[in-house]
Amino acid sequence: GAGVSQSPSNKVTEKGKDVELRCDPISGHTALYWYRQSLGQGLEFLIYFQGNSAPDKSGLPSDRFSAERTGGSVSTLTIQRTQQEDSAVYLCASSTSGTSSYNEQFFGPGTRLTVL
Amino acid sequence: AQSVSQHNHHVILSEAASLELGCNYSYGGTVNLFWYVQYPGQHLQLLLKYFSGDPLVKGIKGFEAEFIKSKFSFNLRKPSVQWSDTAEYFCAVNAKSSYIPTFGRGTSLIVHP
Repeated sequence: GAGVSQSPSNKVTEKGKDVELRCDPISGHTALYWYRQSLGQGLEFLIYFQGNSAPDKSGLPSDRFSAERTGGSVSTLTIQRTQQEDSAVYLCASSTSGTSSYNEQFFGPGTRLTVL
Repeated sequence: AQSVSQHNHHVILSEAASLELGCNYSYGGTVNLFWYVQYPGQHLQLLLKYFSGDPLVKGIKGFEAEFIKSKFSFNLRKPSVQWSDTAEYFCAVNAKSSYIPTFGRGTSLIVHP
């Protein structure tokens, strides 16, 4: 079946504007993760959704970042009042269940965000 | 909090050379360990994983990794690399009590034909 998809693949925005990044996980995957990958850095965890449970937002770097997941499927990551340091590749991953730590994550292609 | 260190940030090899990429983690409890690979222009994908049992794990494309608990290490190896192994390699660690993995910074491998 289809893998994890993300849109847009590239986004260029001006400092101070808001952006929305979208993730479509693999059908049936209940766990969904957002990560940020800056140049030369590893993957920085942002937020985690598991089914209908309250999300784990512990990785969000500031209150300008928020995310939601509608109907247990599609997720949107919103960055308000973007700053140049927000420039990065934003990756989404899904897995069959987040209640076990054993599960392989399937990653999307990422959205490359550039803030001018 | 757990952390993951990948000591080699950039590795350049010729085809047929042997490869070993280091990965060390800091966490005192039991863990699950992963290596992910990102080929140029492609998604991150799982290369191999260790949950329990035999500490020598074999993955796709001839890769293997050995979990050495006493050294908190999970090094990735391949006896003879190919040009197609050129990619970014990430080590990740999950505490068994957690559902959020910690990733290393990654190692960029370039294999010259």
